[in-house]
Amino acid sequence: GAVVSQHPSRVICKSGTSVKIECRSLDFQATTMFWYRQFPKQSLMLMATSNEGSKATYEQGVEKDKFLINHASLTLSTLTVTSAHPEDSSFYICSARVGSTNSPLHFGNGTRLTVT
Amino acid sequence: TQLLEQSPQFLSIQEGENLTVYCNSSSVFSSLQWYRQEPGEGPVLLVTVVTGGEVKKLKRLTFQFGDARKDSSLHITAAQPGDTGLYLCAGAANSGGSNYKLTFGKGTLLTVNP
Repeated sequence: GAVVSQHPSRVICKSGTSVKIECRSLDFQATTMFWYRQFPKQSLMLMATSNEGSKATYEQGVEKDKFLINHASLTLSTLTVTSAHPEDSSFYICSARVGSTNSPLHFGNGTRLTVT
Repeated sequence: TQLLEQSPQFLSIQEGENLTVYCNSSSVFSSLQWYRQEPGEGPVLLVTVVTGGEVKKLKRLTFQFGDARKDSSLHITAAQPGDTGLYLCAGAANSGGSNYKLTFGKGTLLTVNP
């Protein structure tokens, strides 16, 4: 089946630094990828929709300058958390859709970000 | 904004018991998906239901899509400790053009005690 690879799985960084998270579709091309944030024991909150070759679409309340998204190829989207603060600590998950626009999502295994 | 109300939010039961998780909305969805997530991992798709009234079975799990495509349920028979996890329902709706957006319910954290 379709595989989405997310890297790194865990990262610890100091406050004020930037962190880049990669999301790759391994055996299919993804024109659209999605970035979610998840707090412990809670559901997924959509942050932005990443579109290959164009600007990402951010959800209301998500700072685009804080969470930079780049989707330069059909198999790679990156999320950069800039000037990270402890409140940015969270579980970040990417996903991609295979096939038609109404088909289900395949998720990466997530990245646990801890900002100290 | 489309909302999916998922209940219960937390459920702790004994091995062998049955349970049902509900997802309800006032909006119509073109499809509804159920995912299961374990700690530290991404959600894994269990099933997609598309047709109103559709029932799908996956071993001890039974999924149903409401006739009006506004609600869905997940029923687990004879739950086992391996069923423990966060269950998420997600409704797909057209957000403009050919784009479909998934709306997630708040999740049901299921614990099955041996």
